[in-house]
Amino acid sequence: EAGVTQSPRYAVLQEGQAVSFWCDPISGHDTLYWYQQPRDQGPQLLVYFRDEAVIDNSQLPSDRFSAVRPKGTNSTLKIQSAKQGDTATYLCASSSGTDFSNERLFFGHGTKLSVL
Amino acid sequence: GQQVKQSSPSLTVQEGGILILNCDYENDMFDYFAWYKKYPDNSPTLLISVRSNVDKREDGRFTVFLNKSGKHFSLHITASQPEDTAVYLCAAGSNTGYQNFYFGKGTSLTVIP
Repeated sequence: EAGVTQSPRYAVLQEGQAVSFWCDPISGHDTLYWYQQPRDQGPQLLVYFRDEAVIDNSQLPSDRFSAVRPKGTNSTLKIQSAKQGDTATYLCASSSGTDFSNERLFFGHGTKLSVL
Repeated sequence: GQQVKQSSPSLTVQEGGILILNCDYENDMFDYFAWYKKYPDNSPTLLISVRSNVDKREDGRFTVFLNKSGKHFSLHITASQPEDTAVYLCAAGSNTGYQNFYFGKGTSLTVIP
């Protein structure tokens, strides 16, 4: 079974540039999460989806960040105008929401973003 | 505010020792509690988890203790080994129809041979 796939692995930007991150969850997983993990900190939830619906995006800086999952499978997280404070690893995770005894999150390798 | 808090950013222990990692949470609706382990340049992976209907779960050298009234849970590691050196992330969430998980900032553990 393929794991959670993310691309790109690394991104380096100047402030003000835009960037998109792509995530392909494990097949059949209907719940998808995007986390931001600054260096030396734990993952911080940005947004999560159940199928194509946004369940919680309260921590997503809506003026510059957006996330979509149009067909309930792959997802894209976009930063419109990056700031140095956005420097972090962006993790995508998925889980199977239909089996409440199985709450393990499966993480991708992440995209390491540096904003200069 | 931060939903899940880990009190110690780092811990060091001698090989063979016992250690306790602590985690506090805010939302008393949380009913699922987990510890994830993260090696450098790798993604977090689930180490052990517990549902709110039990107050303890043991898996080999690792035991989770849950104190719901105190909104606190902990990870006990016995007979620590150098390969336990990693960042340990606690996580808590609610399984009421939709799953959401919140992580602590992590505790960096070093086991000295």
